[in-house]
Amino acid sequence: GAVVSQHPSRVICKSGTSVKIECRSLDFQATTMFWYRQFPKQSLMLMATSNEGSKATYEQGVEKDKFLINHASLTLSTLTVTSAHPEDSSFYICSGQGATDTQYFGPGTRLTVL
Amino acid sequence: DAKTTQPTSMDCAEGRAANLPCNHSTISGNEYVYWYRQIHSQGPQYIIHGLKNNETNEMASLIITEDRKSSTLILPHATLRDTAVYYCIVRVAASKAAGNKLTFGGGTRVLVKP
Repeated sequence: GAVVSQHPSRVICKSGTSVKIECRSLDFQATTMFWYRQFPKQSLMLMATSNEGSKATYEQGVEKDKFLINHASLTLSTLTVTSAHPEDSSFYICSGQGATDTQYFGPGTRLTVL
Repeated sequence: DAKTTQPTSMDCAEGRAANLPCNHSTISGNEYVYWYRQIHSQGPQYIIHGLKNNETNEMASLIITEDRKSSTLILPHATLRDTAVYYCIVRVAASKAAGNKLTFGGGTRVLVKP
């Protein structure tokens, strides 16, 4: 199956700082990448969809100026949480979709904001 | 995309087949049935998908009723490592016009017991 990696796997930061999370498709070209977040005991919630070379499309209620998404290549997307606050602490998961139309997910990044 | 209904939880015996039901009575003709699972603190893992024919791969079998209003995921020989939350999702085939979103519901929490 297709493999997606994320880095870092977990990060702890101070309130007010920015954190960047990388998502890479290792063995396929992801024309579309997705970013989700998951709070404890809840299901995944889609944050945004990005197509390579285009601006991301954000879901309702997700602040685009706070969650910056870059999808500059067919194998790399980044999510930057700007001015992070404790309420941004969550499990962030990316997925990539290529020619097969199936989304493959990364292992997730656990963000803790102190 | 159509909504799905799954049992909240179910227990399965190790070594036995696990049959996971999913109702999707409002499914449209161009919507696929996808199954993912999420093991604790990991990203979702793709299992299988189908449109109307039954499908089988190395992980599982997918049985879709003739009217397509429900389906069953079958894990032929459940192991302890199959303990996870299983998500049944219906989605149109990906296209930029149709949208590529996966909407995760609550899923079924499957516990495989020795």
